[in-house]
Amino acid sequence: KNQVEQSPQSLIILEGKNCTLQCNYTVSPFSNLRWYKQDTGRGPVSLTIMTFSENTKSNGRYTATLDADTKQSSLHITASQLSDSASYICVVSLGSGGYNKLIFGAGTRLAVHP
Amino acid sequence: DTGVSQNPRHKITKRGQNVTFRCDPISEHNRLYWYRQTLGQGPEFLTYFQNEAQLEKSRLLSDRFSAERPKGSFSTLEIQRTEQGDSAMYLCASSVGTDRSNYGYTFGSGTRLTVV
Repeated sequence: KNQVEQSPQSLIILEGKNCTLQCNYTVSPFSNLRWYKQDTGRGPVSLTIMTFSENTKSNGRYTATLDADTKQSSLHITASQLSDSASYICVVSLGSGGYNKLIFGAGTRLAVHP
Repeated sequence: DTGVSQNPRHKITKRGQNVTFRCDPISEHNRLYWYRQTLGQGPEFLTYFQNEAQLEKSRLLSDRFSAERPKGSFSTLEIQRTEQGDSAMYLCASSVGTDRSNYGYTFGSGTRLTVV
C-alpha cells in the first residue's frame, strides 16, 4: 500500500532553535518527493522537490534530504522564526498512471514560541 | 496571473443545502485537481481533470458530489444535500499536463466549508 508517514505529529520549539521533521514512505514507483508548508486556513505551498537522484535540496532556512534506499526524507529548519509556525506536509509523487498521483502525509504541526 | 484562485474562502451552510465552489487555475495549466482536507490530516484526492475531461474520481466522491470544468478553464465543485461530515477544507490545484515531475503543481488557498 502506498503510504507516507510523518513524525512527530506535532512539535513545539523556541524561536531561533533548529528542528528536523521526518518522513518515511512506501510508495512505488517513486517519481519525486516534496515538502509543503501549510499555514492555518491556507493552501499548501511547495518548499522543496527532490527526484530519485537528489539527496539534498535547500530553500533558504529549509533543507530537505532524501535517502531513496531507505525511503526516508527529512526537513531541517534552521534558526526558526515565529512565521515558521505551520503544518509541514511530506508528499510523494507516484511515477505511473496518466497523471502523477500525489500521496500525502498527515503533516507535522510546528509551533514556534518566542 | 496570481496563482490558483478559489472562491468563496469560507462557506457556512445548513445541513441539506447545496453548495458550489469555484476554482480558477493558473491560465497555462491544463490539469486541475480537487482535494478535501480535514483537520490534522493531509489532503485527500477527490477528482482530476485534463482540460475539460474528468479523468479520475475518488471513491470519496459520493453521488452528492459533482465537479465540472466545462471549457477547460475554471472548475466548479458542487455538493448536494450537505451533511455535517462534509465540513472540511476543499482545495484545488493545477499543473501542466506535460510536466511529469509536477514541478508546477500549485494549490489554491482553499474553501473552508462548515455545515451546521
